[in-house]
Amino acid sequence: DADVTQTPRNRITKTGKRIMLECSQTKGHDRMYWYRQDPGLGLRLIYYSFDVKDINKGEISDGYSVSRQAQAKFSLSLESAIPNQTALYFCATSAMESDTGELFFGEGSRLTVL
Amino acid sequence: GQNIDQPTEMTATEGAIVQINCTYQTSGFNGLFWYQQHAGEAPTFLSYNVLDGLEEKGRFSSFLSRSKGYSYLLLKELQMKDSASYLCAPLDSNYQLIWGAGTKLIIKP
Repeated sequence: DADVTQTPRNRITKTGKRIMLECSQTKGHDRMYWYRQDPGLGLRLIYYSFDVKDINKGEISDGYSVSRQAQAKFSLSLESAIPNQTALYFCATSAMESDTGELFFGEGSRLTVL
Repeated sequence: GQNIDQPTEMTATEGAIVQINCTYQTSGFNGLFWYQQHAGEAPTFLSYNVLDGLEEKGRFSSFLSRSKGYSYLLLKELQMKDSASYLCAPLDSNYQLIWGAGTKLIIKP
């Protein structure tokens, strides 16, 4: 089983719908992140959380919200999806005590908004 | 502003050596990562450099020059499975990763 699991892996939805992408991890890491990836662009940080009571906006948080339900769970919500939110979304984790801050990624959730 | 520059695409031959360059401008610097990403898959960690010089790890090596804002990833004895995108990502003063768009490496037999 993957250490960082994302659900759903693929989702097609319509404009205006509410969507939740879920991420759970078994690595015991404190830090969790949500990124989106678009063709020809680098990964862009949406939100990140360094522990259960800590939520921070990233570079492109508008139109998104998150919830850190537990150390192991970090969900991303699109309250009212729009077509330019069509992208590949990645959850990632890292260990606070890591010397390098290496990120461990989930397998990605491909979202299409029609 | 913060900027990462790496070639969009490179082609190399199986068994050969290829060097993927990355130049960066960031607000502060706390190291630089290279990740590998196969099409449709998650990025996976390759290397981390925080001091100037070369870090070698098997067939892959990564070099950093902080004064020049420059890094490269060197892949030796190329294999078909090395066909992937290679992402350069420096860590800024806030310990946030700034991601390049990646270099798509195509390996030909």
